[in-house]
Amino acid sequence: QKEVEQNSGPLSVPEGAIASLNCTYSDRGSQSFFWYRQYSGKSPELIMFIYSNGDKEDGRFTAQLNKASQYVSLLIRDSQPSDSATYLCAFLRGRDDKIIFGKGTRLHILP
Amino acid sequence: SQTIHQWPATLVQPVGSPLSLECTVEGTSNPNLYWYRQAAGRGLQLLFYSVGIGQISSEVPQNLSASRPQDRQFILSSKKLLLSDSGFYLCAWSTIRASGANVLTFGAGSRLTVL
Repeated sequence: QKEVEQNSGPLSVPEGAIASLNCTYSDRGSQSFFWYRQYSGKSPELIMFIYSNGDKEDGRFTAQLNKASQYVSLLIRDSQPSDSATYLCAFLRGRDDKIIFGKGTRLHILP
Repeated sequence: SQTIHQWPATLVQPVGSPLSLECTVEGTSNPNLYWYRQAAGRGLQLLFYSVGIGQISSEVPQNLSASRPQDRQFILSSKKLLLSDSGFYLCAWSTIRASGANVLTFGAGSRLTVL
């Protein structure tokens, strides 16, 4: 079983709609979860981190964590063309505190 | 403020040649440092992790090695490159936020093509 799983996409969403990105993880000892955005040819940049069950909101972004289901998601409201990128899910592995990434989901916002 | 520098940005190397990628961090002391590689279709793979000078943890067996000669310097090396070493190499450092979350910040990356 892979440690982190994401749908590779591409996920196409009309401009102004809500984009929903999902991620599952296998390590029940994980405590911290991250969403990074990566534009083509650039390095990843942090969007949000979450470590408590429930929702965390920051502007147009909402991260959702369900530890019982081992599931974390990212919602992007009022999607803009500039949101088109690859979104990487990551978690802090409990046994050694290393940060492990999924392969990412490509998001394409349609103008 | 903290900044992370990584070089060179791009390089093309023949198979069998050596490699040296360098990363330095400014504005912080005793950072945790990481080397990741992003190859086509394989996602972001953790290669090495360091918590201090001379302390290196290797995540996967490979043709690469890492060294940390100074507190804020992290070097990735190879004696003989393979075609499979091609990829986008990312140095990162982590900081503990006030919330307790361990957050990674990446450098701009080094794109390596082995021919």
